[in-house]
Amino acid sequence: GAVVSQHPSWVICKSGTSVKIECRSLDFQATTMFWYRQFPKQSLMLMATSNEGSKATYEQGVEKDKFLINHASLTLSTLTVTSAHPEDSSFYICSASPPSSSYEQYFGPGTRLTVT
Amino acid sequence: QKEVEQNSGPLSVPEGAIASLNCTYSDRGSQSFFWYRQYSGKSPELIMFIYSNGDKEDGRFTAQLNKASQYVSLLIRDSQPSDSATYLCAVKVPGYSTLTFGKGTMLLVSP
Repeated sequence: GAVVSQHPSWVICKSGTSVKIECRSLDFQATTMFWYRQFPKQSLMLMATSNEGSKATYEQGVEKDKFLINHASLTLSTLTVTSAHPEDSSFYICSASPPSSSYEQYFGPGTRLTVT
Repeated sequence: QKEVEQNSGPLSVPEGAIASLNCTYSDRGSQSFFWYRQYSGKSPELIMFIYSNGDKEDGRFTAQLNKASQYVSLLIRDSQPSDSATYLCAVKVPGYSTLTFGKGTMLLVSP
């Protein structure tokens, strides 16, 4: 299957600071990537759809000014959590679909964010 | 409205038994169906997908799709403790770029 990486795998930051998470498709080009958030023992929640070369599409209730998404190339999307607060502590996961099998969605390993 | 429903479980089975996980979906136009496994603290891993009615087998896993009844299931034969995880059902609904996920069923396989 296709490989998606994320960096960092975990990060601890202080309240009020910003954190950038990178998502890369390693062996395919992804025009679309997806960002999810998952709180402990809860289901995946889609935050936004990241489109290469254009603005991201955010799900209802997700603050686009707080969660900045940039999809600058066909293999890289970034999520920046701005002015992070403890309630932003969560598991952030990206996913992407290879062009050869656009219905299949492969997930990165996730980034665990802890805001103190 | 797009919905994917799963029993949250936990589903407990003894080692060596068959585990049966079920999923129903609301949109009759759904085209593709996926099963992901998610271990605690890890991201989901794609294990099976099925597009046509009937059964699809891959090793110990069998996916079953019944579009008329709008359900898809996953059978795990010879269950192992290492199969203990949450299994997510996902559906590709026309008009949506991403998959629609169920909330997952937790499977516990006891030695």
